[in-house]
Amino acid sequence: EAQVTQNPRYLITVTGKKLTVTCSQNMNHEYMSWYRQDPGLGLRQIYYSMNVEVTDKGDVPEGYKVSRKEKRNFPLILESPSPNQTSLYFCASSFQGAGEKLFFGSGTQLSVL
Amino acid sequence: RKEVEQDPGPFNVPEGATVAFNCTYSNSASQSFFWYRQDCRKEPKLLMSVYSSGNEDGRFTAQLNRASQYISLLIRDSKLSDSATYLCVVTHNFNKFYFGSGTKLNVKP
Repeated sequence: EAQVTQNPRYLITVTGKKLTVTCSQNMNHEYMSWYRQDPGLGLRQIYYSMNVEVTDKGDVPEGYKVSRKEKRNFPLILESPSPNQTSLYFCASSFQGAGEKLFFGSGTQLSVL
Repeated sequence: RKEVEQDPGPFNVPEGATVAFNCTYSNSASQSFFWYRQDCRKEPKLLMSVYSSGNEDGRFTAQLNRASQYISLLIRDSKLSDSATYLCVVTHNFNKFYFGSGTKLNVKP
């Protein structure tokens, strides 16, 4: 089944403790991206990747890192999480980029205490 | 100014009603336009793309007005299962997606 797999579904952590949210797609998509969703603000793009080893900042990249070493995986790294990063996070992919249908993972609810 | 603006609603309508949502975007160079549907805190799913000539998919009709920079979604004969949040999405530069904050629809029996 074609899908974007995102883990974990829920994560509670403390300020400053490094964490990684994983994202993997099995559709051979070139484009992958991360979003955070906050009430009243909608989804905001954190980082995106057009292909392996090609990543770029979205609108809210501060405090986040990503890597794209393999086509299928696009992990989101929070080196030193802070409470303002408490949010609902979504990973998404599309075949070649903006202009095409986005397939979303099921989301990660992160709480930073 | 936000890239994409939507009326947050909620729109409360009875079953069978026709309801319309609008969305405005700020960048005249925007290239692609979509409506996504999101159920409570679940992943968004594509409802339909929006084409310049307008397009229809069953009970759903989408329109694009480039001159006025707005997109619309019309839902006819509303069903209870249409209750959700509808997200307007625009793209430009072929690599960035911009989401509206969503319009909530409640369809009541």
